[in-house]
Amino acid sequence: DAKTTQPTSMDCAEGRAANLPCNHSTISGNEYVYWYRQIHSQGPQYIIHGLKNNETNEMASLIITEDRKSSTLILPHATLRDTAVYYCIVSYFGNEKLTFGTGTRLTIIP
Amino acid sequence: DVKVTQSSRYLVKRTGEKVFLECVQDMDHENMFWYRQDPGLGLRLIYFSYDVKMKEKGDIPEGYSVSREKKERFSLILESASTNQTSMYLCASSFTGQGTYNEQFFGPGTRLTVL
Repeated sequence: DAKTTQPTSMDCAEGRAANLPCNHSTISGNEYVYWYRQIHSQGPQYIIHGLKNNETNEMASLIITEDRKSSTLILPHATLRDTAVYYCIVSYFGNEKLTFGTGTRLTIIP
Repeated sequence: DVKVTQSSRYLVKRTGEKVFLECVQDMDHENMFWYRQDPGLGLRLIYFSYDVKMKEKGDIPEGYSVSREKKERFSLILESASTNQTSMYLCASSFTGQGTYNEQFFGPGTRLTVL
């Protein structure tokens, strides 16, 4: 699976959009980008995934660049409950083995 | 709601003890996983199982074994616990589906301390 690079930590003001970047320059053509998050004292939780088109669900939006070498997870109106570690993972669809890195610690500031 | 439960939230054991960590899921998932999580290292896959009695090594299987005798239950075994196995252990499960992404559902974790 391709390797991902994420900033160690980020802050965002409550109510603003939180934009979390992820670099995956070695991604191959049929690898997907997955995002999970882990709120303190809980297990990780799936957020969203995509291949090359932008995706949106009730939790977030995922923007993947045209060359697919990077992506951004967007939480449109961040709340204090969005404070968590966010993991960007690249893997082949159907590959059950996910490699979680160290993620980005997002802190939402009141 | 999918529920993945782990037998203990906190566990303290002594070096050399045999330790069992139990995980149960109630969604009839085929796949089950054991991870450990350490500061600065993220989550690392220890073992996973894609069916009853089937198992596959993850990235860090050394010092661990697993057992899956029933579909809903996946056990992680530390044959002889050592202090470097002090960690947070997370269990997860997922479907093996066709055509759609099957997210992993995680339990709350077991914080194991080996003295």
